[in-house]
Amino acid sequence: DAGITQSPRYKITETGRQVTLMCHQTWSHSYMFWYRQDLGHGLRLIYYSAAADITDKGEVPDGYVVSRSKTENFPLTLESATRSQTSVYFCASRVEGANVLTFGAGSRLTVL
Amino acid sequence: KQEVTQIPAALSVPEGENLVLNCSFTDSAIYNLQWFRQDPGKGLTSLLLIQSSQREQTSGRLNASLDKSSGRSTLYIAASQPGDSATYLCAPGEGNTPLVFGKGTRLSVIA
Repeated sequence: DAGITQSPRYKITETGRQVTLMCHQTWSHSYMFWYRQDLGHGLRLIYYSAAADITDKGEVPDGYVVSRSKTENFPLTLESATRSQTSVYFCASRVEGANVLTFGAGSRLTVL
Repeated sequence: KQEVTQIPAALSVPEGENLVLNCSFTDSAIYNLQWFRQDPGKGLTSLLLIQSSQREQTSGRLNASLDKSSGRSTLYIAASQPGDSATYLCAPGEGNTPLVFGKGTRLSVIA
């Protein structure tokens, strides 16, 4: 199916565990983004990538790691999950030079 | 650093009413502005994209305006319907810089 898919959609984990959220897009968009959405804070940028092997920090990168070995995939890893990382995580993508951003359905992460 | 404010934070209106959602931003050096809709438990869907050279953009019952010099945009929804109930977010765009979002306006349209 064409589009942008996130997995898992729901995840419950414990403090200190490593968690990886996957994001896959089928359009070969150059730019990909990870945002988290929390009540009272809105959407905040964690990391983004302009192309394969190019990543940059956003507003709230601490505690997260990203990689982009292939254009279509942009996984987000929480190396040692904390309760403050309980959130809904959204992946998004767009073509370079365009600002129409397309979002995935989100991954709801709960850290106990 | 771009800061985006959306007023009101929440709005409840009876069906059929026309309404205006407001978005203000601090850095007026933008290329465009995008309005999104988010349904509960879902991702964001792009509604309208206004280029900085445009003053308005229309899609069906939605009309978005942009006043770049004053750092403001409005989303006008005509003849509101219960299906319009959602959270609406705006995001000014600055070239390849990642979008910064407002916290949104949560709209409830009562039948």
